[in-house]
Order: sequence, then structure tokens, then C-alpha cells
Amino acid sequence: DQQVKQNSPSLSVQEGRISILNCDYTNSMFDYFLWYKKYPAEGPTFLISISSIKDKNEDGRFTVFLNKSAKHLSLHIVPSQPGDSAVYFCAASDGGSEKLVFGKGTKLTVNP
Amino acid sequence: GAVVSQHPSWVICKSGTSVKIECRSLDFQATTMFWYRQFPKQSLMLMATSNEGSKATYEQGVEKDKFLINHASLTLSTLTVTSAHPEDSSFYICSALKRTVYNEQFFGPGTRLTVL
Repeated sequence: DQQVKQNSPSLSVQEGRISILNCDYTNSMFDYFLWYKKYPAEGPTFLISISSIKDKNEDGRFTVFLNKSAKHLSLHIVPSQPGDSAVYFCAASDGGSEKLVFGKGTKLTVNP
Repeated sequence: GAVVSQHPSWVICKSGTSVKIECRSLDFQATTMFWYRQFPKQSLMLMATSNEGSKATYEQGVEKDKFLINHASLTLSTLTVTSAHPEDSSFYICSALKRTVYNEQFFGPGTRLTVL
């Protein structure tokens, strides 16, 4: 049972445009959400996170939005750059656990 | 900084042999490390939680006798795949937990295991 779902396996956008990556979760106990970026044959690197007490967190070109009622979060990248091309993983945890539950990832391709 | 290394980065072995993968936190101490496995186009699946000085905690469905975990120091955890079979071929990634306000996990670069 996938508790964290990324239903789009891939996304392709033009350089300079907005990239929107989506993530849904089923476990209402999750209260902390993270986005990781991963290049092939490398480990994930942390990108941005959001606590359930917030509905938005922004860091430079990256913004994460959280809709708790819909159990949905999204990562916005604007403007998108070719160097953003990677696989993006959504992850979640609940306050009582240090474990992370990952989605399957979305491969983002930013075309020059 | 928070740097985690893994060694080796890739390994090829014959069926029936054992392979050891090391995970090191280079600039911080980690009492807790995690081992993940990733199949192509799949999510990172948590295999086990490695705790310094105590036994690892394995996720459901993960054979503890096959995937031996040793966390002998505050900067090193090892995963040994015993009696490897081709179906064990995968990408293994470790992370080290840095205890801050947010208890962040920092990931190693991963180890590609191919069992012939």
C-alpha cells in the first residue's frame, strides 16, 4: 500500500517555465513533508520541506504547497532551469517517527 | 556540512558470495542510520534502521539473516548481503540521521550491487 503517491512518473517543461510536481498521501498521521532531488547513481539530496502547521514554504525558486484537507502537496519550481532535470521524490514522516516514506518519484526534464 | 559516504559505489559479485557495504557520516556523529533499497523506477524502500550499539530494526518482509547490519561506531554502519542471489541486485542507499530541530536524514551516494 503506497502511503505516498507520485502519480506522474515524468514531466517535461521548457526552460524558464514553471514546473509543478505533485504528491498525494494517505496517512493522516504524516505531519512533515520533504522533497528530495536525485540524479542517476547518486543519493537523494534534500531540497525543501514543510511542516503540517504551514501551507506554504518558499526557498528561492522552490515553493512547496501543502493542502492537508486534500492530503496533497506540490513542488513549484520557477523559473525552471536545465540543471533542475532530475528525479524528484516526495517523502513524509509522522511526528513520532524518524522514518521517511517515499513516493516513486517524478522524472523532471527541463528542455533548453 | 553533513556528508555521508558509501563504499563501494558499485560491486559485482557471484551468486552465493557475501558483499559488505559501508556507510559513513564524515562530519557528524549519527547514532541512527537507515538502509534503503531502490529498484529501477521505484521508490526508496526502507529496509532497516541501524542503531549504534544495538540491534538493527528491520522492516516487514526484510530478512535480517540475509541483510546483516552492524553499527559499530557513531560514524559507521555496514550492510552485509549474505549469500547473494541475482534478485538481490539493486541500488542500496544509506542515510545518516543528524539530530537537529528537524532530525534531518543525509543520504549517501548509493551502491550499485550486481549479482551474477
